[in-house]
Amino acid sequence: NAGVTQTPKFRVLKTGQSMTLLCAQDMNHEYMYWYRQDPGMGLRLIHYSVGEGTTAKGEVPDGYNVSRLKKQNFLLGLESAAPSQTSVYFCASSTYKSSYEQYFGPGTRLTVT
Amino acid sequence: GEDVEQSLFLSVREGDSSVINCTYTDSSSTYLYWYKQEPGAGLQLLTYIFSNMDMKQDQRLTVLLNKKDKHLSLRIADTQTGDSAIYFCAEGWQANNLFFGTGTRLTVIP
Repeated sequence: NAGVTQTPKFRVLKTGQSMTLLCAQDMNHEYMYWYRQDPGMGLRLIHYSVGEGTTAKGEVPDGYNVSRLKKQNFLLGLESAAPSQTSVYFCASSTYKSSYEQYFGPGTRLTVT
Repeated sequence: GEDVEQSLFLSVREGDSSVINCTYTDSSSTYLYWYKQEPGAGLQLLTYIFSNMDMKQDQRLTVLLNKKDKHLSLRIADTQTGDSAIYFCAEGWQANNLFFGTGTRLTVIP
């Protein structure tokens, strides 16, 4: 049981490049989330999903897109990376009954130059 | 959004108690959470309390809530080196509407 895994762990992008971050969970959780963590700030929710095929915007969705084609996977895409998107990205998942109890992945450190 | 504030650093000696503090601004009924983040890992939920409670104890962890001052604290008894981590306070009623503090880095000195 791996829990929540994220790929890749580190990435450096040039401004304007695109990339996709992959989150996978093996706990059969219904809900999945993408957060970003910036120095001096708490985690902020980017997008979330309450089930396969559904996504919704969080607090800071601009510049990101997501997809949840399979229940176990939640993809976060950056179409045209900007330096302001330099951050640590965390994926999390939870059951719908206990959505407050989120299980987090180890994070992806992204640098945009 | 709501505001959740924490001090950034705390150092304690091994065996002492640690007290990590948090203040929040939400005036409605809400849940308050404490998460732990170890180096290179994601956040792990330690405990949570509903805003109509005063205290919750779970082994070495004690959560105290002062509703009037909107002040939340996490006390770790007999702090060990393995407790060194960043501790995040968060509040929110729904999982898609959680507000996190900046985190408090706890350093335990052997």
